[in-house]
Amino acid sequence: EPEVTQTPSHQVTQMGQEVILRCVPISNHLYFYWYRQILGQKVEFLVSFYNNEISEKSEIFDDQFSVERPDGSNFTLKIRSTKLEDSAMYFCASSSGTGVDTQYFGPGTRLTVL
Amino acid sequence: DQQVKQNSPSLSVQEGRISILNCDYTNSMFDYFLWYKKYPAEGPTFLISISSIKDKNEDGRFTVFLNKSAKHLSLHIVPSQPGDSAVYFCAARDLQGAQKLVFGQGTRLTINP
Repeated sequence: EPEVTQTPSHQVTQMGQEVILRCVPISNHLYFYWYRQILGQKVEFLVSFYNNEISEKSEIFDDQFSVERPDGSNFTLKIRSTKLEDSAMYFCASSSGTGVDTQYFGPGTRLTVL
Repeated sequence: DQQVKQNSPSLSVQEGRISILNCDYTNSMFDYFLWYKKYPAEGPTFLISISSIKDKNEDGRFTVFLNKSAKHLSLHIVPSQPGDSAVYFCAARDLQGAQKLVFGQGTRLTINP
């Protein structure tokens, strides 16, 4: 069964450093998403991406964040200058864009900012 | 932002009995509701969904009920099995909000043998 994959599973970085989280969505899907879950809190929407552009973003997704689909398979989330409060699980998801359009999630990347 | 609420942080059920997980929402523009199951160190796994035009959807042991007038949905699992022990998230999609999902806080379900 096709699945969303994410790398790395755990990323540790120093405050102020740039990180890139990588995702490979399900191959025939057209919509891509990033969500995050800070420990003990809800899963929160960050951004959705369709047709090579952002279709929606939350207030969390400020200028420090960017997304890119550099090739036909990868979808990346970049945080330019990490802050302590960026420590969270980051989940990538994808959906087909047709029918009920269920979003399927990857296993997540745990980001720890020191 | 409390648009989707799961008021029970945890639930413990005997194996073989029915598990009922509840979810309330406030946004009348939500058109689609989903339940996800999450094990530790894994991503949310899609379980079952329901459109706002329906009041019930069933898939094997899982049934979701939607009461639009009460802005309430529930997930029934029967019979409950030990492998059902996980955190269950209710999520909703806003008709006007592109594809964004709004999640509840989650309910930790424990099935006791």
